Amino acid sequence: EPEVTQTPSHQVTQMGQEVILRCVPISNHLYFYWYRQILGQKVEFLVSFYNNEISEKSEIFDDQFSVERPDGSNFTLKIRSTKLEDSAMYFCASSKARTGWDSNYGYTFGSGTRLTVV
Amino acid sequence: SQQGEEDPQALSIQEGENATMNCSYKTSINNLQWYRQNSGRGLVHLILIRSNEREKHSGRLRVTLDTSKKSSSLLITASRAADTASYFCATEGGYSTLTFGKGTMLLVSP
Repeated sequence: EPEVTQTPSHQVTQMGQEVILRCVPISNHLYFYWYRQILGQKVEFLVSFYNNEISEKSEIFDDQFSVERPDGSNFTLKIRSTKLEDSAMYFCASSKARTGWDSNYGYTFGSGTRLTVV
Repeated sequence: SQQGEEDPQALSIQEGENATMNCSYKTSINNLQWYRQNSGRGLVHLILIRSNEREKHSGRLRVTLDTSKKSSSLLITASRAADTASYFCATEGGYSTLTFGKGTMLLVSP
Protein backbone atom coordinates (compact mmCIF):
# COMPACT_ATOMS: atom_id res chain seq x y z
CA GLU A 1 0.00 0.00 0.00
CA PRO A 2 1.37 3.47 -0.89
CA GLU A 3 2.82 5.41 2.02
CA VAL A 4 3.77 8.94 2.89
CA THR A 5 7.40 8.88 3.94
CA GLN A 6 8.90 11.35 6.38
CA THR A 7 12.53 11.90 7.27
CA PRO A 8 14.12 12.10 9.70
CA SER A 9 12.03 10.24 12.25
CA HIS A 10 13.60 12.22 15.06
CA GLN A 11 15.53 15.48 14.97
CA VAL A 12 17.15 17.33 17.84
CA THR A 13 18.14 20.91 17.22
CA GLN A 14 19.33 23.88 19.20
CA MET A 15 17.07 26.86 19.71
CA GLY A 16 17.55 29.39 16.93
CA GLN A 17 18.70 26.85 14.38
CA GLU A 18 16.94 26.22 11.09
CA VAL A 19 15.42 22.80 10.45
CA ILE A 20 14.00 21.22 7.34
CA LEU A 21 11.56 18.37 7.67
CA ARG A 22 11.14 16.24 4.60
CA CYS A 23 8.22 14.33 3.20
CA VAL A 24 7.58 12.23 0.15
CA PRO A 25 3.83 12.22 -0.50
CA ILE A 26 2.04 9.51 -2.43
CA SER A 27 2.93 9.92 -6.07
CA ASN A 28 -0.53 10.47 -7.56
CA HIS A 29 -1.73 12.75 -4.77
CA LEU A 30 -2.16 16.42 -5.51
CA TYR A 31 -2.80 17.99 -2.11
CA PHE A 32 -0.20 18.15 0.62
CA TYR A 33 -0.39 19.13 4.25
CA TRP A 34 1.60 19.63 7.40
CA TYR A 35 0.13 19.07 10.84
CA ARG A 36 1.79 19.02 14.23
CA GLN A 37 1.05 17.46 17.60
CA ILE A 38 2.62 18.87 20.71
CA LEU A 39 3.00 16.14 23.31
CA GLY A 40 -0.31 15.48 25.02
CA GLN A 41 -2.22 17.93 22.86
CA LYS A 42 -4.41 17.84 19.77
CA VAL A 43 -3.17 17.41 16.26
CA GLU A 44 -3.15 20.90 14.73
CA PHE A 45 -3.31 22.00 11.12
CA LEU A 46 -0.38 24.06 9.87
CA VAL A 47 -0.64 24.43 6.11
CA SER A 48 -2.06 22.95 2.94
CA PHE A 49 -0.37 23.10 -0.46
CA TYR A 50 -1.71 22.59 -3.94
CA ASN A 51 -0.46 23.43 -7.41
CA ASN A 52 2.81 24.72 -6.02
CA GLU A 53 1.30 27.23 -3.69
CA ILE A 54 -0.14 27.47 -0.21
CA SER A 55 -3.91 26.92 -0.18
CA GLU A 56 -4.58 27.48 3.49
CA LYS A 57 -2.53 28.16 6.57
CA SER A 58 -3.28 28.41 10.25
CA GLU A 59 -2.28 31.09 12.73
CA ILE A 60 0.53 28.81 13.85
CA PHE A 61 2.12 29.00 10.41
CA ASP A 62 3.82 32.34 10.82
CA ASP A 63 6.81 33.86 9.03
CA GLN A 64 9.14 31.37 10.71
CA PHE A 65 7.59 28.58 8.68
CA SER A 66 7.77 27.90 4.97
CA VAL A 67 6.93 25.01 2.69
CA GLU A 68 8.34 24.00 -0.62
CA ARG A 69 7.99 21.34 -3.24
CA PRO A 70 11.48 21.54 -4.69
CA ASP A 71 11.02 18.71 -7.16
CA GLY A 72 8.31 16.32 -8.27
CA SER A 73 8.47 14.14 -5.21
CA ASN A 74 9.56 15.97 -2.06
CA PHE A 75 7.53 18.31 0.12
CA THR A 76 9.43 20.15 2.84
CA LEU A 77 8.63 22.19 5.92
CA LYS A 78 11.26 24.66 7.01
CA ILE A 79 11.37 26.33 10.39
CA ARG A 80 13.71 29.27 10.11
CA SER A 81 14.69 29.88 13.72
CA THR A 82 13.41 27.19 16.05
CA LYS A 83 11.94 27.93 19.47
CA LEU A 84 11.46 25.61 22.40
CA GLU A 85 7.71 25.63 21.76
CA ASP A 86 8.26 24.23 18.27
CA SER A 87 9.05 20.88 19.87
CA ALA A 88 6.37 18.54 18.57
CA MET A 89 5.63 15.65 16.26
CA TYR A 90 5.23 16.99 12.73
CA PHE A 91 3.05 15.02 10.36
CA CYS A 92 2.99 15.31 6.62
CA ALA A 93 -0.16 14.19 4.82
CA SER A 94 -1.36 13.98 1.26
CA SER A 95 -4.69 13.40 -0.43
CA LYS A 96 -5.78 12.51 -3.92
CA ALA A 97 -8.58 15.02 -4.05
CA ARG A 98 -9.67 18.09 -2.24
CA THR A 99 -11.80 16.23 0.27
CA GLY A 100 -15.21 17.59 0.75
CA TRP A 101 -18.78 16.51 0.83
CA ASP A 102 -18.48 14.67 -2.46
CA SER A 103 -15.34 12.74 -1.66
CA ASN A 104 -14.76 9.38 -0.06
CA TYR A 105 -11.08 9.94 0.41
CA GLY A 106 -9.37 10.70 3.63
CA TYR A 107 -5.83 11.82 4.11
CA THR A 108 -2.77 9.60 4.20
CA PHE A 109 -0.44 10.62 6.98
CA GLY A 110 3.23 9.85 7.37
CA SER A 111 4.69 8.42 10.57
CA GLY A 112 5.90 11.83 11.65
CA THR A 113 9.12 13.58 12.58
CA ARG A 114 9.63 14.17 16.27
CA LEU A 115 11.33 17.55 16.58
CA THR A 116 13.03 18.35 19.87
CA VAL A 117 14.33 21.87 20.34
CA VAL A 118 16.85 22.24 23.17
CA SER B 1 -14.08 27.30 15.34
CA GLN B 2 -15.22 23.79 14.70
CA GLN B 3 -13.80 21.14 16.98
CA GLY B 4 -14.03 17.42 17.31
CA GLU B 5 -14.21 16.44 20.94
CA GLU B 6 -14.20 12.78 21.81
CA ASP B 7 -15.51 10.98 24.81
CA PRO B 8 -14.64 9.02 26.76
CA GLN B 9 -11.04 10.15 27.12
CA ALA B 10 -10.06 6.58 27.95
CA LEU B 11 -11.81 3.26 27.51
CA SER B 12 -10.69 -0.12 28.79
CA ILE B 13 -12.41 -3.30 27.59
CA GLN B 14 -11.82 -7.03 27.17
CA GLU B 15 -11.13 -8.70 23.86
CA GLY B 16 -14.33 -9.61 22.09
CA GLU B 17 -16.30 -6.72 23.55
CA ASN B 18 -17.52 -3.77 21.51
CA ALA B 19 -15.99 -0.32 21.92
CA THR B 20 -17.97 2.85 21.33
CA MET B 21 -16.40 6.27 21.10
CA ASN B 22 -18.26 9.51 20.63
CA CYS B 23 -17.35 12.79 19.03
CA SER B 24 -19.03 16.18 19.16
CA TYR B 25 -18.30 19.25 17.09
CA LYS B 26 -19.47 22.81 16.92
CA THR B 27 -19.95 24.08 13.38
CA SER B 28 -21.15 22.78 10.02
CA ILE B 29 -18.94 20.26 8.31
CA ASN B 30 -18.38 18.66 4.91
CA ASN B 31 -17.37 15.37 6.42
CA LEU B 32 -16.10 13.75 9.57
CA GLN B 33 -13.21 11.33 9.65
CA TRP B 34 -11.90 8.89 12.21
CA TYR B 35 -8.20 8.19 12.60
CA ARG B 36 -6.22 5.80 14.71
CA GLN B 37 -2.80 6.40 16.22
CA ASN B 38 -0.63 3.79 17.81
CA SER B 39 1.65 5.14 20.50
CA GLY B 40 4.16 7.56 19.03
CA ARG B 41 3.26 6.66 15.48
CA GLY B 42 1.44 8.26 12.57
CA LEU B 43 -2.26 8.70 12.01
CA VAL B 44 -4.07 6.02 10.07
CA HIS B 45 -7.27 6.94 8.28
CA LEU B 46 -10.09 4.59 9.24
CA ILE B 47 -13.29 5.91 7.75
CA LEU B 48 -14.89 9.05 6.35
CA ILE B 49 -18.57 9.90 6.61
CA ARG B 50 -20.00 12.74 4.58
CA SER B 51 -22.40 15.29 5.99
CA ASN B 52 -25.27 13.84 3.95
CA GLU B 53 -24.68 10.32 5.26
CA ARG B 54 -26.02 8.93 8.51
CA GLU B 55 -24.20 5.63 8.86
CA LYS B 56 -21.26 3.89 7.30
CA HIS B 57 -19.62 0.50 7.77
CA SER B 58 -16.12 -0.72 7.07
CA GLY B 59 -15.22 -4.18 8.34
CA ARG B 60 -15.62 -4.14 12.12
CA LEU B 61 -16.13 -0.39 12.14
CA ARG B 62 -19.47 1.37 12.20
CA VAL B 63 -19.71 5.14 12.15
CA THR B 64 -22.82 7.21 12.65
CA LEU B 65 -23.30 10.90 12.10
CA ASP B 66 -26.07 13.08 13.47
CA THR B 67 -25.67 16.55 12.01
CA SER B 68 -28.63 17.90 14.00
CA LYS B 69 -26.80 17.03 17.22
CA LYS B 70 -23.38 17.68 15.73
CA SER B 71 -22.16 14.31 16.93
CA SER B 72 -20.69 11.09 15.63
CA SER B 73 -19.92 7.71 17.08
CA LEU B 74 -17.40 5.05 16.19
CA LEU B 75 -18.21 1.48 17.08
CA ILE B 76 -15.55 -1.21 16.92
CA THR B 77 -17.13 -4.63 17.17
CA ALA B 78 -15.46 -7.78 18.50
CA SER B 79 -12.41 -5.84 19.61
CA ARG B 80 -8.93 -7.33 19.58
CA ALA B 81 -5.80 -6.53 21.55
CA ALA B 82 -4.37 -5.09 18.34
CA ASP B 83 -7.10 -2.43 18.38
CA THR B 84 -5.35 -0.82 21.35
CA ALA B 85 -4.58 2.73 20.19
CA SER B 86 -5.80 6.30 20.38
CA TYR B 87 -8.76 7.16 18.19
CA PHE B 88 -9.39 10.66 16.89
CA CYS B 89 -12.27 12.22 15.12
CA ALA B 90 -11.49 15.04 12.73
CA THR B 91 -13.93 17.36 11.07
CA GLU B 92 -13.48 18.96 7.71
CA GLY B 93 -15.27 22.16 6.87
CA GLY B 94 -15.11 24.38 3.84
CA TYR B 95 -11.36 24.80 3.60
CA SER B 96 -10.14 21.22 3.22
CA THR B 97 -8.39 21.26 6.58
CA LEU B 98 -8.93 18.88 9.45
CA THR B 99 -9.74 19.88 13.00
CA PHE B 100 -8.92 17.09 15.41
CA GLY B 101 -10.27 16.23 18.81
CA LYS B 102 -8.13 15.17 21.77
CA GLY B 103 -8.83 11.52 21.15
CA THR B 104 -9.97 8.46 23.04
CA MET B 105 -7.36 6.04 24.33
CA LEU B 106 -8.65 2.51 23.88
CA LEU B 107 -7.09 -0.36 25.77
CA VAL B 108 -8.18 -3.85 24.80
CA SER B 109 -7.02 -6.52 27.22
CA PRO B 110 -6.59 -10.15 26.13
